[in-house]
Amino acid sequence: DGGITQSPKYLFRKEGQNVTLSCEQNLNHDAMYWYRQDPGQGLRLIYYSQIVNDFQKGDIAEGYSVSREKKESFPLTVTSAQKNPTAFYLCASIGGSHTGELFFGEGSRLTVL
Amino acid sequence: AQSVAQPEDQVNVAEGNPLTVKCTYSVSGNPYLFWYVQYPNRGLQFLLKYITGDNLVKGSYGFEAEFNKSQTSFHLKKPSALVSDSALYFCAVRDPVNAGNNRKLIWGLGTSLAVNP
Repeated sequence: DGGITQSPKYLFRKEGQNVTLSCEQNLNHDAMYWYRQDPGQGLRLIYYSQIVNDFQKGDIAEGYSVSREKKESFPLTVTSAQKNPTAFYLCASIGGSHTGELFFGEGSRLTVL
Repeated sequence: AQSVAQPEDQVNVAEGNPLTVKCTYSVSGNPYLFWYVQYPNRGLQFLLKYITGDNLVKGSYGFEAEFNKSQTSFHLKKPSALVSDSALYFCAVRDPVNAGNNRKLIWGLGTSLAVNP
């Protein structure tokens, strides 16, 4: 079945450590997105990529980095510069048209100890 | 500024009763409108969308939504609620003119639906 796989589901980190969240899709989608979700704040866009080897900052990119070396993969690194990294992180992708809907992974919950 | 409002943080309904989750938007032109559902600790799932045509659109799990251009609203409805419908619901809008090629969505903050047995 086609879909988006995020790993790990749960991750604990000590302050000052970088962590990388994995996002893999087999939907053959060009565009991929990373969102952060906090209670009561909805979804906030961190980074997005429309094509391999290209990505753009979203609304809250500070303290995060991404890469897009393969169409299928869009990993997110939460760096030590992110002041409040504890959150639920969602990866999504979209197919070829403006009318299409997003497909989401199951999310990764990061907790900083 | 472009925005999406879900005026109710929480909606409570009894099982078997009709439900409505409200969404209004402030986007120029003819936006594309979406509803998603999220169960606890899960990713979002697409429910339905309005692109053009009939103002009443039907989606997954018996949900439907009515597009009202004059009121800039896109309320989600279901004739008979189930306990299993209890979840977090998000409305989202895409401006096809000003979004460029990035296909970014503007999200509401979500409405928590609780269906009581």
